[in-house]
Amino acid sequence: GAVVSQHPSWVICKSGTSVKIECRSLDFQATTMFWYRQFPKQSLMLMATSNEGSKATYEQGVEKDKFLINHASLTLSTLTVTSAHPEDSSFYICSASATSVLRETQYFGPGTRLLVL
Amino acid sequence: GQQLNQSPQSMFIQEGEDVSMNCTSSSIFNTWLWYKQDPGEGPVLLIALYKAGELTSNGRLTAQFGITRKDSFLNISASIPSDVGIYFCAGRETSGSRLTFGEGTQLTVNP
Repeated sequence: GAVVSQHPSWVICKSGTSVKIECRSLDFQATTMFWYRQFPKQSLMLMATSNEGSKATYEQGVEKDKFLINHASLTLSTLTVTSAHPEDSSFYICSASATSVLRETQYFGPGTRLLVL
Repeated sequence: GQQLNQSPQSMFIQEGEDVSMNCTSSSIFNTWLWYKQDPGEGPVLLIALYKAGELTSNGRLTAQFGITRKDSFLNISASIPSDVGIYFCAGRETSGSRLTFGEGTQLTVNP
């Protein structure tokens, strides 16, 4: 159990276009999902916390108009990178929070590699 | 944001050896999680710890939640080549709060 999927697994796009990444919890409901960004040989950097039915909470320095997050259901959150530029190229990973008997655990998706040309 | 102090940064060992890595924090955590990340993949949960002093095993992996609630260690016994990867610790201060990640330990296992 506790499987999280991401789609697409990789994407190449032209500068100025928008890219949407989907994150789904396949076998559990997640009221909270998280979006991370990871650069090579570095740890995960939290971008935003996505709560079902409400606005996402963005970390300091992350542009909310640049990285649009929608969490319309308990199993789906989307991240849209608007007007992507080469510096947005990175590995984007989502996670979903699962709570059982007051124990909260985060399960990660497989990641999406974005390359902006 | 806050970072955990994870050590060592990298390890090069021979197959069959035991491995130990740890994380320390200036804050008290109520949850410690250990993940492994392979290249180009998302982190995979190895062990979750929720109580100070808790010692939990998952196959050849053993992790403990420190008594002070400010540290945790992960041991891997009898390492094999597929143990290669980056291991991350992550901690949570309170329920519902974000995870804080360590910088990772890159493990290399020589056959």
